[in-house]
Amino acid sequence: GDSVTQMEGPVTLSEEAFLTINCTYTATGYPSLFWYVQYPGEGLQLLLKATKADDKGSNKGFEATYRKETTSFHLEKGSVQVSDSAVYFCALSEGNTNAGKSTFGDGTTLTVKP
Amino acid sequence: GAVVSQHPSRVICKSGTSVKIECRSLDFQATTMFWYRQFPKKSLMLMATSNEGSKATYEQGVEKDKFLINHASLTLSTLTVTSAHPEDSSFYICSAASPTNYNYGYTFGSGTRLTVV
Repeated sequence: GDSVTQMEGPVTLSEEAFLTINCTYTATGYPSLFWYVQYPGEGLQLLLKATKADDKGSNKGFEATYRKETTSFHLEKGSVQVSDSAVYFCALSEGNTNAGKSTFGDGTTLTVKP
Repeated sequence: GAVVSQHPSRVICKSGTSVKIECRSLDFQATTMFWYRQFPKKSLMLMATSNEGSKATYEQGVEKDKFLINHASLTLSTLTVTSAHPEDSSFYICSAASPTNYNYGYTFGSGTRLTVV
C-alpha cells in the first residue's frame, strides 16, 4: 500500500535559518503530493502541492519539488520565521484511485526561536 | 477558495452520552468527505470515508456502530460518537473533496476537540 515517511522531529531552528524537512513516499500509481501545515489547536491547511514529476510547489516562501526518481518531496524554506512554528505533514493522494484517500506522514514539529 | 466548516470546535460530554460533529462544505459540493482522528503528537488516522447518499466506508479497526457517519447531502456530513467513553477523547478532523478536486488537495475543517469526562 501507499506510505509516506517524513523526517522525525522535533526540529528547532533560529529565526532566519534554512529549513529542510525530508519526505519520501511509496505509491502504486502516480500520486499527487502535498504539504499541509497545522497550527496549535487548529485543523490542517494546504501549504503547497505538486501533481506530477518535476513540478515545484511553492507558497509563503516554502518550496518542494516532486522527484519521481528518488520518490521524494522535501520541504524547504530559505529563512524561517517564528510564525512558521507548526506541525508539517507530507501527504500523497492517488486521485480518483481508491476514492481519493490521502496518506499522511507522521508530521514534523517545527519550532522557530527568535 | 474552498471552505469547510466544522462544528463544534470543542465539546465536553459525560461518559455514556452521544456527541454529533458536523462538517459542511460551504462553497462547493463534496461527494466525498473523510473523517480523521488525531492523537496527541501523532499523525492523522483515517477513520472512514463518507459518501453522499450511501453508506460510509470504515477503515479496519474502526467501530462503525460507535462512530456513526451520515452524509445526507452534498454539503453536509456528520459524525456521531455514540456512548462516548474517556478513551474516545481526541481531536477529530474532517476533510472534503469533490470528484474534480482530488489533485488540488483536500480542504480540512478546523477540527473538534472532544473531551469525555
